[in-house]
Amino acid sequence: AQSVTQPDIHITVSEGASLELRCNYSYGATPYLFWYVQSPGQGLQLLLKYFSGDTLVQGIKGFEAEFKRSQSSFNLRKPSVHWSDAAEYFCAVGMEYGNKLVFGAGTILRVKS
Amino acid sequence: DAGITQSPRHKVTETGTPVTLRCHQTENHRYMYWYRQDPGHGLRLIHYSYGVKDTDKGEVSDGYSVSRSKTEDFLLTLESATSSQTSVYFCAIRPGGNTYEQYFGPGTRLTVT
Repeated sequence: AQSVTQPDIHITVSEGASLELRCNYSYGATPYLFWYVQSPGQGLQLLLKYFSGDTLVQGIKGFEAEFKRSQSSFNLRKPSVHWSDAAEYFCAVGMEYGNKLVFGAGTILRVKS
Repeated sequence: DAGITQSPRHKVTETGTPVTLRCHQTENHRYMYWYRQDPGHGLRLIHYSYGVKDTDKGEVSDGYSVSRSKTEDFLLTLESATSSQTSVYFCAIRPGGNTYEQYFGPGTRLTVT
């Protein structure tokens, strides 16, 4: 069965430090991959997406992610975290030509000053 | 802003009562989705629609039904609410074509007592 694993439930980083959130997926075909962010009490906002082509994709708010087929991973990175980045982050895999998304359980990011 | 509204935004209901949640979109997108969000589970797909009167089940469809009689509205009904259906419910749309990402509404917090 298709699945998405986000190994870290919580991560705490200092403001200005770099960030990497991990995502591993299990899916037989070429996946469509997404990262979403959710602030408390809000809906989900799309950060970035990968369908094909360059395996390093840029998103909004200074985030980037790299698709590594050999590792079945799509890790999210940011070189310098801001306090406003504190939120919950979800990795998702699109199946059936994107008709369905399977989400990871999420990673809660805390930023300390 | 994907032009998605959900109503109500908050609801408290009693076990055994029927409940209907509404998702409304303003841009005539073909695909619409209902998810539930629970801690530790990310978002899980309940039902989705790929056109007026065309719907399909997701991974957690038991106890839920949907209807789509107009392009702009997608209704989720809990036929007889149970405490296990206490959750935050999100509607999403996908424009279709070569667009595979989904855009989310603000959510409905449902409490079943």
